[in-house]
Amino acid sequence: GNSVTQMEGPVTLSEEAFLTINCTYTATGYPSLFWYVQYPGEGLQLLLKATKADDKGSNKGFEATYRKETTSFHLEKGSVQVSDSAVYFCALGTAGGYNKLIFGAGTRLAVHP
Amino acid sequence: DTGVSQDPRHKITKRGQNVTFRCDPISEHNRLYWYRQTLGQGPEFLTYFQNEAQLEKSRLLSDRFSAERPKGSFSTLEIQRTEQGDSAMYLCASSLGQGADTIYFGEGSWLTVV
Repeated sequence: GNSVTQMEGPVTLSEEAFLTINCTYTATGYPSLFWYVQYPGEGLQLLLKATKADDKGSNKGFEATYRKETTSFHLEKGSVQVSDSAVYFCALGTAGGYNKLIFGAGTRLAVHP
Repeated sequence: DTGVSQDPRHKITKRGQNVTFRCDPISEHNRLYWYRQTLGQGPEFLTYFQNEAQLEKSRLLSDRFSAERPKGSFSTLEIQRTEQGDSAMYLCASSLGQGADTIYFGEGSWLTVV
């Protein structure tokens, strides 16, 4: 069946460090891939998405590339800020007319000054 | 900015009581979803509406759970005879209804069953 696996957290970084959060997926067909972010006390917000192989999604300095050959969608940011501290969820959207999202367990990121 | 609105945001109830959550999707969004999120886990799909029609239900949605979207606008999720295992955040989301479109989430309704 469809599933998403994320690297376990928490990930603790100093401000301006490079961030990578790994995400791999198992899916039939050609799903869309998403990164959502959840700030403390808030709901899920879409961070970026990619709908087909080799697409790169980007937003707010974050980016991720849809790699079909490695079934991966790793999240990267060149220089993190304290305000990036949150929980990040990788998700896939099942094909077939509408998006039923399947989420990973989430990775908590803590950025220190 | 009128996003997805959920009410109540927090609910504490005694085991065995019934609870109901309401979701108001973004205006003109035809698709509405309910998810459940427990601590330390990602959200899990519960059910999906296209307008007023409930088109898919997860096996997670036991017979104590019922969701409705009577006029194709707001939706309610009712849990009957609550159990401690029902304690979770219940997330509502909506999307326009065009192919694999972007899904927007509300801030969630926290349920604690004591």
